Amino acid sequence: EIVMTQSPATLSVSPGERATLSCRASQSIANNLAWYQQKPGQAPRLLIYGASTRATGIPPRFSGSGSGTEFTLTIRSLQSEDFAVYYCQQYNNWPPWTFGRGTKVEIK
Amino acid sequence: QVQLVQSGGGVVQPGGSLRLSCAASGFTFSSYGMHWVRQAPGKGLEWVAFTRYDGVNENYTDSVKGRFTISRDNSKNTLYLQMNSLRADDTAVYYCAKDNWANWFDPWGQGTLVTVSS
Repeated sequence: EIVMTQSPATLSVSPGERATLSCRASQSIANNLAWYQQKPGQAPRLLIYGASTRATGIPPRFSGSGSGTEFTLTIRSLQSEDFAVYYCQQYNNWPPWTFGRGTKVEIK
Repeated sequence: QVQLVQSGGGVVQPGGSLRLSCAASGFTFSSYGMHWVRQAPGKGLEWVAFTRYDGVNENYTDSVKGRFTISRDNSKNTLYLQMNSLRADDTAVYYCAKDNWANWFDPWGQGTLVTVSS
């Protein structure tokens, strides 16, 4: 099973600033990585797939990068609606499909 | 638009059973695999089960093997999760999600809470 490790667990950022979230895989997963956003009481929403391709309707301030074992989600100029929990998920080796434990982006 | 509407869930005693449903619309249900994913209170996401588009192939996370069964009725555009021998650690919000070529999950249902407690 591939273990996904996200850091940091919590990120405090001021509105308008940049947020950089990390995700590491326990073995190479090529670019077979997705990112999701989850707000309290809501289902997760797909942001990024293929490590860097934005899903339909996702604003360009969200960008993903990386391959192999190291990945990054960057949110430029954080908006109020971006404060949420973000999860990475690998789909290179399955089953199981595995998620990281999440990074909470909170208002500084 | 693509939509997944869940039903079922509730409070059940340890050892009991429950069936969750997920009604799909806005896409050709019979052409896509489907997943169940759960989230324990205050915790992260855990993949639970997958069924192929035709219902022939199934996969489960180890902790639910032999207790949960994923199934689908393509004539009704509906996905199911039959949960037997429920335990306290099965308490979670359960989400159904549309598979995208065994890759990412999109979209997700609204979630339904299952509480296993005496």
